[in-house]
Amino acid sequence: RKEVEQDPGPFNVPEGATVAFNCTYSNSASQSFFWYRQDCRKEPKLLMSVYSSGNEDGRFTAQLNRASQYISLLIRDSKLSDSATYLCVVNIRADSNYQLIWGAGTKLIIKP
Amino acid sequence: DVKVTQSSRYLVKRTGEKVFLECVQDMDHENMFWYRQDPGLGLRLIYFSYDVKMKEKGDIPEGYSVSREKKERFSLILESASTNQTSMYLCASSISWGFTGELFFGEGSRLTVL
Repeated sequence: RKEVEQDPGPFNVPEGATVAFNCTYSNSASQSFFWYRQDCRKEPKLLMSVYSSGNEDGRFTAQLNRASQYISLLIRDSKLSDSATYLCVVNIRADSNYQLIWGAGTKLIIKP
Repeated sequence: DVKVTQSSRYLVKRTGEKVFLECVQDMDHENMFWYRQDPGLGLRLIYFSYDVKMKEKGDIPEGYSVSREKKERFSLILESASTNQTSMYLCASSISWGFTGELFFGEGSRLTVL
């Protein structure tokens, strides 16, 4: 089982719709969580950090469920420009070392 | 804005050739990283460096080496390229220790080994 798992998609969603996808992680020592966005043939860029209480940034909402070990990303009123691959990242602390584990990404396609 | 620049966007090399991938960041970041990205897999860390002349192995260091002679520059070296090293290579930098902060990536270097 992968340490960080994401549904690869693609999720095909009409413009204006709401879409949500999850990312599950297996290591209970996971400390912090992030969503990165990667456009086609481009580098990943930080979309948002995920806080324990959940957080919102405009149309984007990220939530953490520690009990079930997953994080989620919800996009409201989706735009064509939201088409991208969304990468889930988990920061695991073991002793004094940290390790970032990346999911393989969920591809989102917004259709007009 | 932070800028991370990778020297080559696309390279084609032959098996056994030596390959240099260079990365320069302009934000005085302490930490620099080399990842590879392959379809269906998450980014995998090859090496990272938290200071000049310091380096730490990541998850998949075999077949790679790195050099950090100056704070702004982090080079990835493939001593003898093999076909299984065909991949997208991403350099990143960050200001925060412990992977707790944002990583800033370069545009990537797509390497094909024939």
